[in-house]
This record gives sequence, structure tokens and C-alpha cells, in this order.
Amino acid sequence: AQRVTQPEKLLSVFKGAPVELKCNYSYSGSPELFWYVQYSRQRLQLLLRHISRESIKGFTADLNKGETSFHLKKPFAQEEDSAMYYCALRDQGGKLIFGQGTELSVKP
Amino acid sequence: NAGVTQTPKFQVLKTGQSMTLQCAQDMNHNSMYWYRQDPGMGLRLIYYSASEGTTDKGEVPNGYNVSRLNKREFSLRLESAAPSQTSVYFCAGRTANTEAFFGQGTRLTVV
Repeated sequence: AQRVTQPEKLLSVFKGAPVELKCNYSYSGSPELFWYVQYSRQRLQLLLRHISRESIKGFTADLNKGETSFHLKKPFAQEEDSAMYYCALRDQGGKLIFGQGTELSVKP
Repeated sequence: NAGVTQTPKFQVLKTGQSMTLQCAQDMNHNSMYWYRQDPGMGLRLIYYSASEGTTDKGEVPNGYNVSRLNKREFSLRLESAAPSQTSVYFCAGRTANTEAFFGQGTRLTVV
């Protein structure tokens, strides 16, 4: 069965430090992977998807099929990056599965 | 443009009561989803509907039923609420090759 694992519940860094939020998945087919973000008291919104290979708000994520990972990275964290981050996988049947989420706290 | 709208935003139920959470979208989504969000558990898929007239179970369907009334609406029903169903519920919609758009959530407490 497909599964998305985010091993860190909480990640705390100082402003300007690099950030890496880990995501691993298990899926036998060709998944589509996403990162969603939820700022305080707001609804979830898409941050980026692997097929776009884009950088949003300084964040990037590369799909590593060999390691079945899709880690989210940013070289210099900002205070406004503090939020809950969810990694998600969409299978070929349309099911959208999320990981447990990682709370990122960026301290001044 | 309302997007994905959930009603109600807050609800308190007594154990054993029933209720329906409503979700409506005006974005012409084919697929719609219901999730529950619990601390440390992330978002868990309850049910989803890949298209009008079809529904499928997700990870945690027990205690819930859904209805895809038409393309716009996807409701979630709790027939006999239990304290374990205290959670924040999110509805989402998606069209092929696009991102999922979420509602603002319904905070449900079962006492």
C-alpha cells in the first residue's frame, strides 16, 4: 500500500539557516509528489509539485526514485516560513495521501 | 469565486448524535476528498470521489459515510458520533493535472 512518511514532527531552526524537511514514500507505480503548506489558521495550499521542478518562495524539492524520497529544501530560512508542511503522494487512481506533517519553526 | 466551501465551521455533538458535514466547490473539480487532521497523525483520507457518482474508501472510513450528490457537492455523514471522531475535517477538490484546493476546515468536538 502507498505510504508517505515524514520522520520529523518538529524542526526548529534559526533565521538564515538551511532547512531540509524529509519525506519518504512507498508506492509501486509512478507517483506524483507534492508539498503542501498550512500557515497558522489558514487552509492548506500547494507549495510545489515534483513535475514542475520549480522553486517557490525559495523552496525546492527533488524526486529521488532510488531513495524514494522527496525532501524539501531551502538554503536560508525566514521567519515567515514557520508553518506546517505536508508531503503528499497522488497515485494513478487519483487517491491523494498525505504524510504526518512537519512543523517548521524559524526563530529570529 | 468561493472555491471550496465547508459548512459548518464549528460543531459540538453529543456521543451518539448524527450530523452531515457539507462541502461544495465551484471550481469544476472532478475529484473530491474528505480528510481528518489530528495532532501527530497528519491528514488521513476518509473517503474520496474520483468523479460524480463514484466514491471510494480511504485510510480511515469506519464510522463515516459519504455522498457525491452532484459534481459540486460531497458530503460526509457521521451516523453515530463518537469521541474518537473529534477532529478537524477538511474537504478538497481537484481536477486532473492540477493541485488540490482545500476548504477552510470544520472543527468537530464530540463529547
